[in-house]
Amino acid sequence: KAGVTQTPRYLIKTRGQQVTLSCSPISGHRSVSWYQQTPGQGLQFLFEYFSETQRNKGNFPGRFSGRQFSNSRSEMNVSTLELGDSALYLCASSFSVPGYEQYFGPGTRLTVT
Amino acid sequence: DAKTTQPPSMDCAEGRAANLPCNHSTISGNEYVYWYRQIHSQGPQYIIHGLKNNETNEMASLIITEDRKSSTLILPHATLRDTAVYYCIVRVAMEYGNKLVFGAGTILRVKS
Repeated sequence: KAGVTQTPRYLIKTRGQQVTLSCSPISGHRSVSWYQQTPGQGLQFLFEYFSETQRNKGNFPGRFSGRQFSNSRSEMNVSTLELGDSALYLCASSFSVPGYEQYFGPGTRLTVT
Repeated sequence: DAKTTQPPSMDCAEGRAANLPCNHSTISGNEYVYWYRQIHSQGPQYIIHGLKNNETNEMASLIITEDRKSSTLILPHATLRDTAVYYCIVRVAMEYGNKLVFGAGTILRVKS
């Protein structure tokens, strides 16, 4: 069974631009969560989607948004990029909303210059 | 708002058991303890989880104290490839579903 895939793997953007990251969950998994990882803050929860609905959201500004499609694929968008948005963005999928075993993708490394 | 405390780093000799402790003294009765590890900034890898009973799988064993205030992850025969950051996590229930609240983790260095 294929794992969680994320595209692109690396991205360089300029301050003020916006970016869209994509995540394809493991086949059959309906819950997708997004996390941001930085050296200073560690791994922080962004939001979780299930059946195309955002169920939970972490403490991030409204510039961070996401969506989930009917095939469970998910995208997250960051608008008006700031230097502090440079991070590894990780997507994790699990079978159901309770989110038992979450399986993580390799991440997208975003650099904002 | 991490609910767990782990030592920042540990060393282990190759072939020996690695015992990674975790304190979660404020854990609620229905909150699970999860362990993940992360190698070279790859995505975290699920290892094991438990509620109150000890658990074992092909990767590791999880020992949870009777009062559930602490736990220990045991890698029975550590190899160099087990060098990673190990996260002990409490799965926090939210209005819908759950989220994983990661702490700083323990850097495990397996040495030959």
